[in-house]
Amino acid sequence: EVQLVESGGGVVQPGGSLRLSCAASGFSFDDYAMHWVRQAPGKGLEWVSLISWDGDSSHYAVSVKGRFTISRDNRKNSLYLQINSLRPEDTALYYCAKDMGRGSAWYSFDHWGPGTLVTVTS
Amino acid sequence: DIQMTQSPSSLSASVGDRVTITCRASQSITTYLNWYQKKPGKAPDLLIYAASSLQSGVTSRFSGSGSGTDFTLTISNLQPEDFATYYCQQSYTAPLTFGPGTRLDIK
Repeated sequence: EVQLVESGGGVVQPGGSLRLSCAASGFSFDDYAMHWVRQAPGKGLEWVSLISWDGDSSHYAVSVKGRFTISRDNRKNSLYLQINSLRPEDTALYYCAKDMGRGSAWYSFDHWGPGTLVTVTS
Repeated sequence: DIQMTQSPSSLSASVGDRVTITCRASQSITTYLNWYQKKPGKAPDLLIYAASSLQSGVTSRFSGSGSGTDFTLTISNLQPEDFATYYCQQSYTAPLTFGPGTRLDIK
């Protein structure tokens, strides 16, 4: 059974930093691209970032480019999101999501974690 | 970036009804379109991928169609567990984008 469990969320002041983690199990982690998707309170879903299966390629939403960095450790079956220069509008539930495609990314999300909450407030 | 729109933004329906939600892309995305169901307090679930392919384990009451810029999600014989918010998402190119969502309420 595929399991994704996020951690690392919390309350942080504007301008601060956090590192989110996602522990994966139940599938061959190093065969799949992975994503971060977020949902601000009362708002819709927003894709944040993706990383290829081997970590060689990554993409970001315009809203986070230059502030967020996605990475992965295939030896530890773990995905990360380093978030810097946090703004109040970054307040959201951050989900880790598995890509559907094995090897080549399909850019579709077939399994999700329960999410970790990031709150940016002074 | 590819912009996604959905209509309606909300709708009310009754158990047993058939409903259709529309999604439109700002440019052609061929069939790179996915649909998700989102309930409060739960992670989203993938319902339909590649515009019309039913995700494993999803009831056949859900169906998708369309190509190019216009797509539809149809839910037949609505059940109580179907009342949720539905999002389309283009998987044609990064940055990936979602529609704003369609909230389906019980009438």
